[in-house]
Amino acid sequence: DQQVKQNSPSLSVQEGRISILNCDYTNSMFDYFLWYKKYPAEGPTFLISISSIKDKNEDGRFTVFLNKSAKHLSLHIVPSQPGDSAVYFCAARGTGSARQLTFGSGTQLTVLP
Amino acid sequence: EAQVTQNPRYLITVTGKKLTVTCSQNMNHEYMSWYRQDPGLGLRQIYYSMNVEVTDKGDVPEGYKVSRKEKRNFPLILESPSPNQTSLYFCASSRQRWDTQYFGPGTRLTVL
Repeated sequence: DQQVKQNSPSLSVQEGRISILNCDYTNSMFDYFLWYKKYPAEGPTFLISISSIKDKNEDGRFTVFLNKSAKHLSLHIVPSQPGDSAVYFCAARGTGSARQLTFGSGTQLTVLP
Repeated sequence: EAQVTQNPRYLITVTGKKLTVTCSQNMNHEYMSWYRQDPGLGLRQIYYSMNVEVTDKGDVPEGYKVSRKEKRNFPLILESPSPNQTSLYFCASSRQRWDTQYFGPGTRLTVL
């Protein structure tokens, strides 16, 4: 059973608009969440993260929101640019001896010029 | 330049022919890991290593072996590849298990 779910395999957005990528998780013991971005023929690269003690973290055009009661995570990109077109993976980190990352299945974002 | 390298980048082989995918990092990271990426399933961890000579199974270890004889290298070995191991493989490293991971460029493996 997938503990981290990205229910939208793809998303298309017009350049300049907001992109919202969503992620749901089931394990309430996750204490840290990350977003990775992946271009074709490259490995995933770290984008932004958030600790479970926060509900928002911002880095330039990228903001991650965490709603712990809903076990929901979202990544907002404003304004979206064509260079943001990539696959976005959310990941969650467990606690204690299980402190490794569990990844979602990814969302392909396409920003249309 | 800090990086994780993998070789080969692309490989087509046949069932049962042993192969090794190499992984090397130049960041002196303790933790290294192998993932496979399959459509609809995201990244699933195969094996990981907390340090030299310390390896452990991830979520999908069947059919794979690893070794960690040196800190910088973490090869993935398929003793008898099968078609269901056709996938995109990523090696990753981080300072510690809980730190942000740096990924290699990936190895696309096809087993006929």
